[in-house]
Amino acid sequence: DSGVTQTPKHLITATGQRVTLRCSPRSGDLSVYWYQQSLDQGLQFLIQYYNGEERAKGNILERFSAQQFPDLHSELNLSSLELGDSALYFCASSLLAGVEETQYFGPGTRLLVL
Amino acid sequence: AQSVAQPEDQVNVAEGNPLTVKCTYSVSGNPYLFWYVQYPNRGLQFLLKYITGDNLVKGSYGFEAEFNKSQTSFHLKKPSALVSDSALYFCAVRDSSGGSYIPTFGRGTSLIVHP
Repeated sequence: DSGVTQTPKHLITATGQRVTLRCSPRSGDLSVYWYQQSLDQGLQFLIQYYNGEERAKGNILERFSAQQFPDLHSELNLSSLELGDSALYFCASSLLAGVEETQYFGPGTRLLVL
Repeated sequence: AQSVAQPEDQVNVAEGNPLTVKCTYSVSGNPYLFWYVQYPNRGLQFLLKYITGDNLVKGSYGFEAEFNKSQTSFHLKKPSALVSDSALYFCAVRDSSGGSYIPTFGRGTSLIVHP
């Protein structure tokens, strides 16, 4: 158990809908990362937050947004969902934001868009 | 732009034999290299990382990796494979230059250890 929690574990929704994925980092970690894992694209970095501020942005669609709250938990919002958004979404956390930091991954949220 | 390649989609090895999972990278500055393992229906688990110093890095579960700057490689190794090592292995790189914090992961290598 990494200490990173993600809810929900599974999510089934329809095209055009909006969902929110939640992540609680390990106790004491200030940085949160979001990833999308799919069979065709592999593990894609979406976005990183550090202590409430956006630190790095990857291949995140405009329909997707995220934020990190004062209590350091983070939410990833996915809107106008498409079939292709079906994937496993991981959150990871690290103590600080540096490139040398080890990331600790949560168990993921499996999203199925029908 | 940084990149990482895992040239083998799958590696098969017999239990008790040594294993190697390959990773090559490309960065502008100094690389920070990581190996993670993913078991079915689980998140990724950290195995080891290279930041600086000794080229041979020892990690969890008996795994080690060798950083080779001239060949831009960071291959994962284990002297004696276990069936329980069967999993998906990811190499990742982060570049120390340019202020980019973006981590790049390889596509993963499925390791299958046969009894």
